[in-house]
Amino acid sequence: LAKTTQPISMDSYEGQEVNITCSHNNIATNDYITWYQQFPSQGPRFIIQGYKTKVTNEVASLFIPADRKSSTLSLPRVSLSDTAVYYCLVGGRTDKLIFGTGTRLQVFP
Amino acid sequence: EPEVTQTPSHQVTQMGQEVILRCVPISNHLYFYWYRQILGQKVEFLVSFYNNEISEKSEIFDDQFSVERPDGSNFTLKIRSTKLEDSAMYFCASLRTDSNNEQFFGPGTRLTVL
Repeated sequence: LAKTTQPISMDSYEGQEVNITCSHNNIATNDYITWYQQFPSQGPRFIIQGYKTKVTNEVASLFIPADRKSSTLSLPRVSLSDTAVYYCLVGGRTDKLIFGTGTRLQVFP
Repeated sequence: EPEVTQTPSHQVTQMGQEVILRCVPISNHLYFYWYRQILGQKVEFLVSFYNNEISEKSEIFDDQFSVERPDGSNFTLKIRSTKLEDSAMYFCASLRTDSNNEQFFGPGTRLTVL
């Protein structure tokens, strides 16, 4: 499974847009890019998934360039409740999830 | 919205004792997983289960671990002889097969081995 690299931490203020970029240089043709969110002492929660181009849902957007070697999770207008760890993962549809250390996002008032 | 449930939420046990962690996956899901997260560390894959058999397991999942789907709803993880280093949050997850790889995670069981 492709290894991913993302920033260890990011800080933001309420109301700002946050973009977290992940690199996955060795992504395979059949791999999807998936982002999860985790709050302390809770299980990870699916945010968004994409294969190429742009995907948008009610909570986030995912931008994937043509070479698919990176992706950017965009959180519009973050609030304090978005403070969490965000994980970028790549893999096939039913593959085990291999979590890295993720990006710890801290949102300040 | 359907959800994965896990019991108990917290289990305290003595080293060497057997524990069984229980999970009820979402009813129409066909793939099941166990993960664990030691305090302050990454979420680690333990095992995946499909069609009533293990499809993949990690190096962590040694002979002390076993999984079972004893009926149509429960999915259990058994640790035969717990060690101090088994103390962690254990998460169960399930996946439908007709959608993307959106694994639904349960709230976890915090296992404390004394």
